[in-house]
Amino acid sequence: QKEVEQDPGPLSVPEGAIVSLNCTYSNSAFQYFMWYRQYSRKGPELLMYTYSSGNKEDGRFTAQVDKSSKYISLFIRDSQPSDSATYLCAMDEENTGRRALTFGSGTRLQVQP
Amino acid sequence: DVKVTQSSRYLVKRTGEKVFLECVQDMDHENMFWYRQDPGLGLRLIYFSYDVKMKEKGDIPEGYSVSREKKERFSLILESASTNQTSMYLCASSSGGAAQTQYFGPGTRLLVL
Repeated sequence: QKEVEQDPGPLSVPEGAIVSLNCTYSNSAFQYFMWYRQYSRKGPELLMYTYSSGNKEDGRFTAQVDKSSKYISLFIRDSQPSDSATYLCAMDEENTGRRALTFGSGTRLQVQP
Repeated sequence: DVKVTQSSRYLVKRTGEKVFLECVQDMDHENMFWYRQDPGLGLRLIYFSYDVKMKEKGDIPEGYSVSREKKERFSLILESASTNQTSMYLCASSSGGAAQTQYFGPGTRLLVL
């Protein structure tokens, strides 16, 4: 079983829809949670970063962490065609800077105009 | 803005060839990483380095080696390329402090024939 599970999609939604992207994980030591966005033929770019449980909002994006359920979510409000990309969740146990992140396999999102 | 550059966007090599992939970052980051990305498998860590001349094996180091002679440069070497090394290779870097955000390069798509 993978440490981090993520539905690969594709998830296709109409423009303006609310999108929910999710990851589950098995390692209860994960404390740092990130969402990366990766456009086709590009490297991933950091979208959101949260520590421990709770919510974080940035514009149309909200990241949610539920450590008791080992479940994280990314919500996109008023989705736009420019949001079409692959979204990767990533996690880490510590903040030493000497560790690599554990990534989900990514969910491909398509927002139809 | 942090910039991570990779020497090639696309490479085609023959089985048995020695392949060099180069990565350069311009933010004086201590940590550098090499991942490969394959459909359905997500990002898998090959090697990482937290200082010049230091290296640590990741999850899938077999068939690869790395070199970090200067802080800004991290090279991935395929000693004898094989067809199962056909993949997207992503380099990333991060600072050694808090909030270990990894910044990715654009990737090198390698095809081994």
